[in-house]
Amino acid sequence: DAGITQSPRHKVTETGTPVTLRCHQTENHRYMYWYRQDPGHGLRLIHYSYGVKDTDKGEVSDGYSVSRSKTEDFLLTLESATSSQTSVYFCAISDGRGNTGELFFGEGSRLTVL
Amino acid sequence: AQSVTQLDSHVSVSEGTPVLLRCNYSSSYSPSLFWYVQHPNKGLQLLLKYTSAATLVKGINGFEAEFKKSETSFHLTKPSAHMSDAAEYFCAINSGGGADGLTFGKGTHLIIQP
Repeated sequence: DAGITQSPRHKVTETGTPVTLRCHQTENHRYMYWYRQDPGHGLRLIHYSYGVKDTDKGEVSDGYSVSRSKTEDFLLTLESATSSQTSVYFCAISDGRGNTGELFFGEGSRLTVL
Repeated sequence: AQSVTQLDSHVSVSEGTPVLLRCNYSSSYSPSLFWYVQHPNKGLQLLLKYTSAATLVKGINGFEAEFKKSETSFHLTKPSAHMSDAAEYFCAINSGGGADGLTFGKGTHLIIQP
């Protein structure tokens, strides 16, 4: 299994509070991704990173920010959580070789915003 | 632009019978295509991938998929279903060869009847 650790795995918070999810990898892969999974929507890309301090927006980036200060860590921040951000969040990594795009996923972080 | 459409949200089969999960794609470029499986409360695991080599791709646990360019399809099959195959299955595409991740279908929930 790819060395990807997400924390926390479960979190319950209240509307308006800030939340940070952490993804830590031990594979030294260049590319890291945050997806959210919702019933009926599959997985949708929030933000991704193609190197330290290099990030870009995905399909559903509104209300989220990210940071990557080290190769191994990719943080997802909800500045002011809303109920619509209740979801399961997955971190994924890729080494980018061969441009096949294969991703390896973490176990997910379940966030509930009350 | 790229997209995948999973034609069935739920598929139910009896144990020991064949499985067919359907996926159609849309892409402006030669795509890489993937099938992932997700068991309850777990992350996504790669079943198999097509990356412009052989059109019939064999994956783990007896699954295979055939890339059909003329039909823009990448259906997943297994000759004989097992109870342990019950899970959510996602088709995904990367057609730009870039770093901006995969685009996922909405998923197919596979139910195995005893």
